[in-house]
Amino acid sequence: GAGVSQSPRYKVAKRGQDVALRCDPISGHVSLFWYQQALGQGPEFLTYFQNEAQLDKSGLPSDRFFAERPEGSVSTLKIQRTQQEDSAVYLCASSLERPAVTTNEKLFFGSGTQLSVL
Amino acid sequence: KQEVTQIPAALSVPEGENLVLNCSFTDSAIYNLQWFRQDPGKGLTSLLLIQSSQREQTSGRLNASLDKSSGRSTLYIAASQPGDSATYLCAVIPDKLIFGTGTRLQVFP
Repeated sequence: GAGVSQSPRYKVAKRGQDVALRCDPISGHVSLFWYQQALGQGPEFLTYFQNEAQLDKSGLPSDRFFAERPEGSVSTLKIQRTQQEDSAVYLCASSLERPAVTTNEKLFFGSGTQLSVL
Repeated sequence: KQEVTQIPAALSVPEGENLVLNCSFTDSAIYNLQWFRQDPGKGLTSLLLIQSSQREQTSGRLNASLDKSSGRSTLYIAASQPGDSATYLCAVIPDKLIFGTGTRLQVFP
């Protein structure tokens, strides 16, 4: 597609409910990142995929958070037993290569999924 | 641990003013620095990317500089317009983007 697409755009969940957030990166992009952005804050890194391999998950806040990218394109971020502190915008970004590998590589971001946990 | 700070946190100016937004980082071992714009309810739009070997980049009314040794970058916006109103984020790239908390800019007519 023309850009990074995320769905749903908005998600309201009751505390304790499981949610799944989807990211469609730009076609052909190898690298895929998930970020969490709390209100009034900058995005914070959650996890990174290179193709289907999850190379870095150091930013996932707890074992309730799980991400996958089984075929190296679409990725899903799953949050189990949601808590109120999970309320945030979840941003997905993709790039052709890993930014550190190619020094002029840019990340392209989706519009995000705004998750509200009641 | 890399920390990125942006000053000021918020800025409100009349149309036409020239602006300077500041970004500082604690670890100079970075590959790139990227400036983004974020509009309410939307994702991030890349404005400028400065490679570690470069000192500045320009795009239209925007100019970004990078001084790795002092851990600083500035984004200069010339002749500001109401359409420039947004949150501006800088991010440094060791191997993944580490963001600052942003500067919320409002330009009024």
